[in-house]
Amino acid sequence: GEQVEQRPPHLSVREGDSAVITCTYTDPNSYYFFWYKQEPGASLQLLMKVFSSTEINEGQGFTVLLNKKDKRLSLNLTAAHPGDSAAYFCAVSPSSNTNKVVFGTGTRLQVLP
Amino acid sequence: EAAVTQSPRSKVAVTGGKVTLSCHQTNNHDYMYWYRQDTGHGLRLIHYSYVADSTEKGDIPDGYKASRPSQENFSLILELASLSQTAVYFCASSDGAYAEQFFGPGTRLTVL
Repeated sequence: GEQVEQRPPHLSVREGDSAVITCTYTDPNSYYFFWYKQEPGASLQLLMKVFSSTEINEGQGFTVLLNKKDKRLSLNLTAAHPGDSAAYFCAVSPSSNTNKVVFGTGTRLQVLP
Repeated sequence: EAAVTQSPRSKVAVTGGKVTLSCHQTNNHDYMYWYRQDTGHGLRLIHYSYVADSTEKGDIPDGYKASRPSQENFSLILELASLSQTAVYFCASSDGAYAEQFFGPGTRLTVL
């Protein structure tokens, strides 16, 4: 079945620096991709959903890139601030079972002032 | 107003005891999921359901049962709780795997 690898597991950056989190997946026919954010002690909330073949989506303070050729999904936080300190999870909907998603193992991001 | 609620929010159980975790959603979603979260493992799918009165096994169903008596309610049952089931459990609802999942606040379960 679908395997999702997320790197790095931990990331510490200074305020104003960028932070990049990457997920690679195995199912070339996966179609829906998600990034979720989990603040300390809280539940998960959607950051962004993407599904085009190669796409750059820009949100508030971040960019998501999907490269289907390389089976890679990345989240780039530009000019990180302490409020970005959280755990981030990618999720991929596999073609083998369209009723579920497979989550990456998460990245714990710490933004230092 | 929270659309996905879980109860209890935390629970301490004894090994071998029965534990029931409850989830209620007001999103009118067909899909509901139960995940467990452990450090270093992210979220792993235990059971899910896409219609009332029917449940499906997820990726790690062993030791867990699920029940979906209505569209709004989805329970996770540990018939014989074990130490290895200590974790945080999240319930979520969605319109389908293509759609955003809305998560509950989580239940912290400690099995002693």
